[in-house]
Amino acid sequence: NAGVTQTPKFQVLKTGQSMTLQCAQDMNHEYMSWYRQDPGMGLRLIHYSVGAGITDQGEVPNGYNVSRSTTEDFPLRLLSAAPSQTSVYFCATGRGGAYEQYFGPGTRLTVT
Amino acid sequence: KQEVTQIPAALSVPEGENLVLNCSFTDSAIYNLQWFRQDPGKGLTSLLLIQSSQREQTSGRLNASLDKSSGRSTLYIAASQPGDSATYLCAVNNAGNMLTFGGGTRLMVKP
Repeated sequence: NAGVTQTPKFQVLKTGQSMTLQCAQDMNHEYMSWYRQDPGMGLRLIHYSVGAGITDQGEVPNGYNVSRSTTEDFPLRLLSAAPSQTSVYFCATGRGGAYEQYFGPGTRLTVT
Repeated sequence: KQEVTQIPAALSVPEGENLVLNCSFTDSAIYNLQWFRQDPGKGLTSLLLIQSSQREQTSGRLNASLDKSSGRSTLYIAASQPGDSATYLCAVNNAGNMLTFGGGTRLMVKP
């Protein structure tokens, strides 16, 4: 039981490049979300999903796309990376509603 | 919009002290409040979850309380140890899924 896994752990991109951050969970949780963590700004919600085929925007969605084709996976796509997207990205999962949420180990992204 | 504040931002104590970390929030219509621990360069580890109908939760040396009407939660750590050194984050769940985080308290426990 791996819990929540994220790949890659580290990534360096040049401005304008695209990439996908992967998040997978084996806990059969319906709810999955992406946060970014920046110094002085704390953790902020980017996008979330309440189940396969359903996604919605969080607090800071611009520049990011998501899709949810399976319960297990929730990838985050950067279509054209910008230096402002340099951050640590965390994926979280939970049963939804008032249940506990669990976080992955994070992906540290640098955009030059 | 929910705002979550944690005080103090940093705390340094000698080993063995009991300590209290504070979290306040502006919108009392919450589902629950969750306390996390984050070690440098690592992910978030869930410590305690308090439902909106509960007053407190305990796990080992940790005790979290919730006063929803006043918009406050505290995390009490008994008999602190150097291994407790980390950043502690509180997060409020308003909409059933979305968490709003405080800025964290960076704790250093000196041997």
